[in-house]
Amino acid sequence: AQSVSQHNHHVILSEAASLELGCNYSYGGTVNLFWYVQYPGQHLQLLLKYFSGDPLVKGIKGFEAEFIKSKFSFNLRKPSVQWSDTAEYFCAVNSRENAGNMLTFGGGTRLMVKP
Amino acid sequence: GAGVSQTPSNKVTEKGKYVELRCDPISGHTALYWYRQSLGQGPEFLIYFQGTGAADDSGLPNDRFFAVRPEGSVSTLKIQRTERGDSAVYLCASSLTRARETEAFFGQGTRLTVV
Repeated sequence: AQSVSQHNHHVILSEAASLELGCNYSYGGTVNLFWYVQYPGQHLQLLLKYFSGDPLVKGIKGFEAEFIKSKFSFNLRKPSVQWSDTAEYFCAVNSRENAGNMLTFGGGTRLMVKP
Repeated sequence: GAGVSQTPSNKVTEKGKYVELRCDPISGHTALYWYRQSLGQGPEFLIYFQGTGAADDSGLPNDRFFAVRPEGSVSTLKIQRTERGDSAVYLCASSLTRARETEAFFGQGTRLTVV
């Protein structure tokens, strides 16, 4: 069974600091990788995704993530965070062996950006 | 509305009661997913519908949980003989097709509290 680990449960940064959130997955087969964000009081929204090709993926709002196959990692980065990035971030994978687009999520990382 | 709609947004019920949670997917989306998110954790997959049929119900925790999608649109998650451990946010997501590359759009969830 596949699993996803997010090692940072809570992160507090000041505005303009750089961000990197860790995500590791365990699955031996081919996977698709996602980062979702949940702003306070809102629903989960897709931030970015990786299916194939360039392992450096750029998403919305200046976020990017790098797929490193040898490390089973898909870390999320942003060079300079803003107060509006305060949210909970979830890494997720689906297996290409699944019949549908069922996602396995990590436990989430709560990011607080201090103004 | 344009998004996935879930009702009610909050539900408080007594232990042992029966509850129904409703999901209205985005119009035209054939795939529908239910997830459960317990406090401090990421969403966990429950069941996936392709059209009217449950294509994968491997995530349902036990036979007290059941879901239907009789006309291939609205879905209802049904929980019998509720237990305090069922307290969680129940999320619904839909996607245009079942293809793993299609984006899943999430509703805001139903927060179920069993007292």
